Amino acid sequence: DIQMTQSPSSLSASVGDRVTITCRTSQGISNHLAWFQQKPGKAPKSLIYAASSLHSGVPSKFSGSGSGTDFTLTISSLQPEDFATYYCQQYNSYPLTFGGGTKVEIK
Amino acid sequence: QVQLVESGGGVAQPERSLRLSCAASGFTFSNYGMHWVRQAPGKGLEHVAVISYDGSNKYHADSVKGRFTISRDNPKNTLYLQMNSLRVEDTAVYYCAKGGGQWLEIASWGQGTLVTVSS
Repeated sequence: DIQMTQSPSSLSASVGDRVTITCRTSQGISNHLAWFQQKPGKAPKSLIYAASSLHSGVPSKFSGSGSGTDFTLTISSLQPEDFATYYCQQYNSYPLTFGGGTKVEIK
Repeated sequence: QVQLVESGGGVAQPERSLRLSCAASGFTFSNYGMHWVRQAPGKGLEHVAVISYDGSNKYHADSVKGRFTISRDNPKNTLYLQMNSLRVEDTAVYYCAKGGGQWLEIASWGQGTLVTVSS
């Protein structure tokens, strides 16, 4: 199984801050990585696929990068609606695996 | 727009069965792989099962293999998860999700249905 190491597990940031979340996989997955956002009590929302492609309707303040084993999600200017938990997920091979999540909180 | 509506959740005793359904609309259901993903209370996301667009390929997580079965009815635009021999640790919100350009990719999510296994 491919292990996902997501860091940090939580962070505190202010409105307007640039935030970066990292995801590392235990073996190479090309660009078969997705990012999801989840707010409390809500279903996850798909943000990014293929490591760097934004889903339709996702604002451009979100960006993803990486290939192989190291990936990042960046939020360029944090807004109140961005406070949530973010998950990475690999879909290169089964079993599909998720990172442990990064909770982004208000400083 | 894509709509995925899960149903069938509820309370079940250990060793009993439940069947979840997911009604899909807003896209050509028969063209996409479909997933079930669950989230135990206060925990992260866990992939449960995936089925290819035509039902010919299926994968189930080791934690549910032999107990849960994913299936689909393309003419009815509906995804299913048959859950047998339920355990307390199966308690979770179960999400139906639509695949993307690659069949193992997840593109859209339903709102989820809560399954509670308790004696």
